Amino acid sequence: GENVEQHPSTLSVQEGDSAVIKCTYSDSASNYFPWYKQELGKGPQLIIDIRSNVGEKKDQRIAVTLNKTAKHFSLHITETQPEDSAVYFCAALNNAGNMLTFGGGTRLMVKP
Amino acid sequence: EAQVTQNPRYLITVTGKKLTVTCSQNMNHEYMSWYRQDPGLGLRQIYYSMNVEVTDKGDVPEGYKVSRKEKRNFPLILESPSPNQTSLYFCASSSGLAGGRQYFGPGTRLTVT
Repeated sequence: GENVEQHPSTLSVQEGDSAVIKCTYSDSASNYFPWYKQELGKGPQLIIDIRSNVGEKKDQRIAVTLNKTAKHFSLHITETQPEDSAVYFCAALNNAGNMLTFGGGTRLMVKP
Repeated sequence: EAQVTQNPRYLITVTGKKLTVTCSQNMNHEYMSWYRQDPGLGLRQIYYSMNVEVTDKGDVPEGYKVSRKEKRNFPLILESPSPNQTSLYFCASSSGLAGGRQYFGPGTRLTVT
């Protein structure tokens, strides 16, 4: 089955700096890669996603890049703010389209 | 308001005492799923359902049961809970297959002593 690895497990940045979280996946047939943000005491929420037919997608301060050849994708957050502090999860959808496999999560701390 | 609800939010129980965690969504979604979240392991899928009366195992189904008798509800059943099922559980739903945006419930923190 699919295996998704996520790094780093914790990330501390100064407010205004950029943050990058990286994920690798094992199943070359995977074609959908979402990112979820989980705030303390809440369920994860989708913040951005990318499909395998594009290499990059942006939404304001958030961007995701995908390298299908290398089987890795990354989340980029620019101009970080304290409210960006949360746990972030990457995920990959299997070829059958019925199961998401999540990475282990990254705890991002943005220091004011 | 579009939402996924879970009950209870917190539960402390003893080994072997059957319990059910309910999940309900008001978005008419076909796809529903249960995950457990453990430190360092991310979210691992327990069971999922593509539609009414259609359920299938995820990555960690041992010790769990589910049912999908109605489109809006997807309860998680632990017939004989054990301490290794102590975890944070999330229910999620999405329209169509898992490739759509998944809406997660607020979570249920279960402790089995």
